[in-house]
Amino acid sequence: GNSVTQMEGPVTLSEEAFLTINCTYTATGYPSLFWYVQYPGEGLQLLLKATKADDKGSNKGFEATYRKETTSFHLEKGSVQVSDSAVYFCALRNTGGFKTIFGAGTRLFVKA
Amino acid sequence: DTGVSQDPRHKITKRGQNVTFRCDPISEHNRLYWYRQTLGQGPEFLTYFQNEAQLEKSRLLSDRFSAERPKGSFSTLEIQRTEQGDSAMYLCASSLAETANTGELFFGEGSRLTVL
Repeated sequence: GNSVTQMEGPVTLSEEAFLTINCTYTATGYPSLFWYVQYPGEGLQLLLKATKADDKGSNKGFEATYRKETTSFHLEKGSVQVSDSAVYFCALRNTGGFKTIFGAGTRLFVKA
Repeated sequence: DTGVSQDPRHKITKRGQNVTFRCDPISEHNRLYWYRQTLGQGPEFLTYFQNEAQLEKSRLLSDRFSAERPKGSFSTLEIQRTEQGDSAMYLCASSLAETANTGELFFGEGSRLTVL
């Protein structure tokens, strides 16, 4: 079945540090891949997405590239800010499907 | 605010009682989803509506759970004879069918259930 595995947290970084959160997936077919973010006290919201192999999704300085050969979609940011502290969820949805499958989430703490 | 709203935000109940959660999706969204999230885990799919039709139910949704979406607008999720294992955050999300394949879901802030 389809599944998403992401690195366990929490991840603690100092402001301006480089961030990588690893995500790998198992899927039949050609899924679309997503990163959702949940800020404290708020609902999940879409951060970025990629719908086919080699696509790069980007938003708010975050990037992730859809790597079919390694079944990965790692999230990166070159310089994190305190305001990036949140829980990040990697997710997938198969083409034509309606069910989005989420990873367990990775909590990020950024210290000033 | 025209986002997805859920009510109540927090419900504490005793084991064996019934509870009902309500979700009001973004008004033009015809797809509505319920997910459950437990501590340290990602959201798990429960059920999905397109307009008023419930098209899919997860095996996680036992017969104590029922969801409705009358008239294709708001939705309710009822849990009968609650058990302590039902304690979780219940999330509602909505989307447009036209953009559903691109995957973006719009989530509410969730309804947290605590069963004592």
